[in-house]
Amino acid sequence: GDSVTQMEGPVTLSEEAFLTINCTYTATGYPSLFWYVQYPGEGLQLLLKATKADDKGSNKGFEATYRKETTSFHLEKGSVQVSDSAVYFCALSSSGSARQLTFGSGTQLTVLP
Amino acid sequence: DVKVTQSSRYLVKRTGEKVFLECVQDMDHENMFWYRQDPGLGLRLIYFSYDVKMKEKGDIPEGYSVSREKKERFSLILESASTNQTSMYLCASSETGGSGNTIYFGEGSWLTVV
Repeated sequence: GDSVTQMEGPVTLSEEAFLTINCTYTATGYPSLFWYVQYPGEGLQLLLKATKADDKGSNKGFEATYRKETTSFHLEKGSVQVSDSAVYFCALSSSGSARQLTFGSGTQLTVLP
Repeated sequence: DVKVTQSSRYLVKRTGEKVFLECVQDMDHENMFWYRQDPGLGLRLIYFSYDVKMKEKGDIPEGYSVSREKKERFSLILESASTNQTSMYLCASSETGGSGNTIYFGEGSWLTVV
């Protein structure tokens, strides 16, 4: 079945550092890939997505590229801020799947001033 | 703006009680979901519904049931709460169709069973 493997946390960075959170997946067919973010005490919200190979999703300075050859969707940001402290979830959705999303286990990011 | 509203943010219930968690969405979405979130385990799907009165089991349905009598409302029911059901519960909704559709989440309900 489908699965998502995420870099384990927690990750602690200083403000303005470069961020990478690794995500790899296993799926049949051609899934869509997502990054969701969960700020403290809140639900999840979509950060970015890519629906086909070589697509790059971007939002709020974050980027991720859908790499079919390496089955990866790594999240990157060039300069993190304290306000980026949150839990980040990688997820995939397979075409034709009514259940929609399969999530990774989440990566806790803390950015220190 | 898209809105998924969960009726209770924080609940404390006793073992054996029947618990209702309510969720309402205002986007006319066909699909609705209940997830459970636990540290180190990520999000696990309990049940989902793709139409009124239709439901399917997710990965961890044991000890839970659901009800969808109206399109906008999806309820999660714990028939007899147990301490191992202490968790954060997240409701979500989405349009039907392709795999690229965004799923929208509520803010979550923290349930403690004592």
